[in-house]
Amino acid sequence: AQKITQTQPGMFVQEKEAVTLDCTYDTSDPSYGLFWYKQPSSGEMIFLIYQGSYDQQNATEGRYSLNFQKARKSANLVISASQLGDSAMYFCAMREDHNAGGTSYGKLTFGQGTILTVHP
Amino acid sequence: GAVVSQHPSWVICKSGTSVKIECRSLDFQATTMFWYRQFPKQSLMLMATSNEGSKATYEQGVEKDKFLINHASLTLSTLTVTSAHPEDSSFYICSARDESSGRDFIRETQYFGPGTRLLVL
Repeated sequence: AQKITQTQPGMFVQEKEAVTLDCTYDTSDPSYGLFWYKQPSSGEMIFLIYQGSYDQQNATEGRYSLNFQKARKSANLVISASQLGDSAMYFCAMREDHNAGGTSYGKLTFGQGTILTVHP
Repeated sequence: GAVVSQHPSWVICKSGTSVKIECRSLDFQATTMFWYRQFPKQSLMLMATSNEGSKATYEQGVEKDKFLINHASLTLSTLTVTSAHPEDSSFYICSARDESSGRDFIRETQYFGPGTRLLVL
C-alpha cells in the first residue's frame, strides 16, 4: 500500500483564490511527521510546512496552512491568496519515527506530487 | 537558515564512465544524509541513507555496487554512479539532518541540496 497518496496530478487556481492540495497517508507508527515541499522548475526542494502527529493545532506558516485530520489520516495543504509564483510541483512527505529503524531514522517518503498552475 | 550544497549542479557523461556527486552541509554537521533520485515529473525516491563513519543503508532495489556512497566527514557525503548508463540519467538530490542542539528549527526537518542533473549519453 502507498504510504503517501496525492490523488491530484494537477490543479488549477485563479490568482488570489485559495486552493487545497490533498494528501493522505498510511502508517501504524504513533509518532510521525508530515511535511509539504514546493519544487519549482529549477528542482530545488523548498520546505513549506510541518505537522507532528502529536500536535494539537493545525500548522500554519504565512499563506500556508495544513488541514490535519488524524482520524482520516489526511494532511491537506491550503494555500490562501494564490500568487503566480506559487505555480510549481508540490509534494507531501512523511517521516515515521519508530518504523524507520536504526540508521535510517529521519528518511522521508514522498507522495506522487501535484502540479499547481496559478492563472492570472 | 541551514544550507546544503551539491556539486556539480549538472553533468553530462559518456556511457560507461563514473560520476561523483558531492553533498555538503555548509553551516552545520550532519551525521546522516540522504540521497534521492527523481525522474522527470515523478516523485523523489530514497536511494540510500548515508551515515558518517559507517556503511550506507540502501533501499530495496538499489544496487550498492553501482551507487557508491561515502560519508567521510560530518559535512560531506559523496555519491558515485559507477559505469553510468543512459537509464541512470536522472535528478539526484541529497538532504541532511541537522542534529546539533537548537539548530533544527522546524523540529527535525531536512535541508535539501539544489540537486544534480545527470545525463548519460
